[in-house]
Amino acid sequence: EAGVTQFPSHSVIEKGQTVTLRCDPISGHDNLYWYRRVMGKEIKFLLHFVKESKQDESGMPNNRFLAERTGGTYSTLKVQPAELEDSGVYFCASRRLDGPFYEQYFGPGTRLTVT
Amino acid sequence: DAKTTQPNSMESNEEEPVHLPCNHSTISGTDYIHWYRQLPSQGPEYVIHGLTSNVNNRMASLAIAEDRKSSTLILHRATLRDAAVYYCIPVGFSGGSNYKLTFGKGTLLTVNP
Repeated sequence: EAGVTQFPSHSVIEKGQTVTLRCDPISGHDNLYWYRRVMGKEIKFLLHFVKESKQDESGMPNNRFLAERTGGTYSTLKVQPAELEDSGVYFCASRRLDGPFYEQYFGPGTRLTVT
Repeated sequence: DAKTTQPNSMESNEEEPVHLPCNHSTISGTDYIHWYRQLPSQGPEYVIHGLTSNVNNRMASLAIAEDRKSSTLILHRATLRDAAVYYCIPVGFSGGSNYKLTFGKGTLLTVNP
């Protein structure tokens, strides 16, 4: 079984540009999460999908961030326009079933550097 | 979300047992206690979870205090590959139905050869 994959592994862009991060969850996992760690801070929740529906986007920092999950498979997280404070590592995680007793499987992350 | 307290860092020698403590005195009665770890340059990795009883799996053991206000992750024989940041995270219905993970600072475990 393939794990959670993320693309790209590293992205360097200039302030004001647009970047799109992609996450492919484990096949069959309806729940998909985005998290991020900015420099020196803890890993923070961004949002949660169940299939193609956003269940909770309370962690999204502002309207420059747009997440989609068309068809309930892979997800994209677009940052437009990127700001310096968006630099960090963005993690995607997936979970098959609902409930607090099921683990999340994380991807390796995308390191975003905004210059 | 329940607040957790973990030591900033711990050190162990290879092949020796490691006991990683976590205080979660405000945990809800229905919250599960999850442990994740993050190896260098990787995404977090699930380790183990439990509710009330002690739990064992191939990676570790989890000892939960009777009052559930604390727990201890036990690595029976630390290896160099176990060097990571370990996070104790309560997950439950009290945090909403999305069961998101709320990461703290965790414990940085160093394993000496």
